[in-house]
Amino acid sequence: DAKTTQPNSMESNEEEPVHLPCNHSTISGTDYIHWYRQLPSQGPEYVIHGLTSNVNNRMASLAIAEDRKSSTLILHRATLRDAAVYYCILRDVNGGATNKLIFGTGTLLAVQP
Amino acid sequence: NAGVMQNPRHLVRRRGQEARLRCSPMKGHSHVYWYRQLPEEGLKFMVYLQKENIIDESGMPKERFSAEFPKEGPSILRIQQVVRGDSAAYFCASSPPGVTAHQPQHFGDGTRLSIL
Repeated sequence: DAKTTQPNSMESNEEEPVHLPCNHSTISGTDYIHWYRQLPSQGPEYVIHGLTSNVNNRMASLAIAEDRKSSTLILHRATLRDAAVYYCILRDVNGGATNKLIFGTGTLLAVQP
Repeated sequence: NAGVMQNPRHLVRRRGQEARLRCSPMKGHSHVYWYRQLPEEGLKFMVYLQKENIIDESGMPKERFSAEFPKEGPSILRIQQVVRGDSAAYFCASSPPGVTAHQPQHFGDGTRLSIL
């Protein structure tokens, strides 16, 4: 799986939008961009994924650059509950039999009241 | 619909004992994954199983660790003769059959293993 680069940490204020960046300059045409987050003392939680087009769901939005070398996870109104480590992960549709997730160090998001 | 269930949530063992971690996948899910998170480190893949088969064990330590997912019952991660370095959080995830790269994995809340 291709490598991703994320800032180690970010801060946000409650009820403000948060933009979490991810660089993946070596992405291949068959790599999906996935985001997971891990709240304190919990297991990772799927957030969103996409291939080329921007995606929206009830949790967040995913904006994908036209050249696909970067993407941004957007939390429209941060809450205290959104404080977590956010992981950007690439998954190759032609990855063969394995379906493992390769986690990097992620971005630790702190939300201030 | 219950999520992925792991038990126990916390497990304490003395060096040299065996640890058994259990994972019940979500209903309808036949694929199970185990990940380990060492203190102050990231999540690392260990093993991927389908019912009665190990598909990818590239992340499993060569000795003392084994995993199974029998036809009936939960998946079991077994660690024999535990050492202090095995202290970690162990997470299980599951996904439905027919998995592709755009199928999310659903995680349990983990088992925190402490070795005295």
